[in-house]
Amino acid sequence: NAGVTQTPKFQVLKTGQSMTLQCAQDMNHEYMSWYRQDPGMGLRLIHYSVGAGITDQGEVPNGYNVSRSTTEDFPLRLLSAAPSQTSVYFCASSNPPGQGVGSPLHFGNGTRLTVT
Amino acid sequence: KQEVTQIPAALSVPEGENLVLNCSFTDSAIYNLQWFRQDPGKGLTSLLLIQSSQREQTSGRLNASLDKSSGRSTLYIAASQPGDSATYLCAPPSGAGSYQLTFGKGTKLSVIP
Repeated sequence: NAGVTQTPKFQVLKTGQSMTLQCAQDMNHEYMSWYRQDPGMGLRLIHYSVGAGITDQGEVPNGYNVSRSTTEDFPLRLLSAAPSQTSVYFCASSNPPGQGVGSPLHFGNGTRLTVT
Repeated sequence: KQEVTQIPAALSVPEGENLVLNCSFTDSAIYNLQWFRQDPGKGLTSLLLIQSSQREQTSGRLNASLDKSSGRSTLYIAASQPGDSATYLCAPPSGAGSYQLTFGKGTKLSVIP
């Protein structure tokens, strides 16, 4: 059982380039999300999805796009990379909360992105 | 907006000590709270999920409690080991019924052999 798989593990981009960070989960989770982690800032939510075809913005969505065409995949697109997007990106998934009962959030191992 | 504070930011203890990590949050209209562990260069691993109806959850040497009325949660680690060295993060939901979690900045724990 692979859980949440992120690719690539490392990436270096030049300012203005675009790329897609891949995320796939094999647990049939409806909820998927993208976070970025920066020193001193903690984890911040970029975008999330509560099911195929449904996405919404988190705390820091500017400069990023997402789509959810299948339950398994939730790619994150950087449209025009900027040095401020240098960060570690984490994808996470879970079952939806049911009647107020939470479900553990499963994380991938992250993608370390550097924009020069 | 949910805000989460974790104290202390860093902690260094000798092996075998019992220790408590603290988490406080501002929006107490939540149904649960999660504690995570993060090893350097790795993703986060969910340790414990406490439902508000439970108030307390245990897994091995770990015990987490939740007091919604005071906006606090604690993670108790018994008989600490060098393998417990990691950053521990507290994450309540961003609001009532929310899927989204708000993360604290974590407590970096070092257990000295």
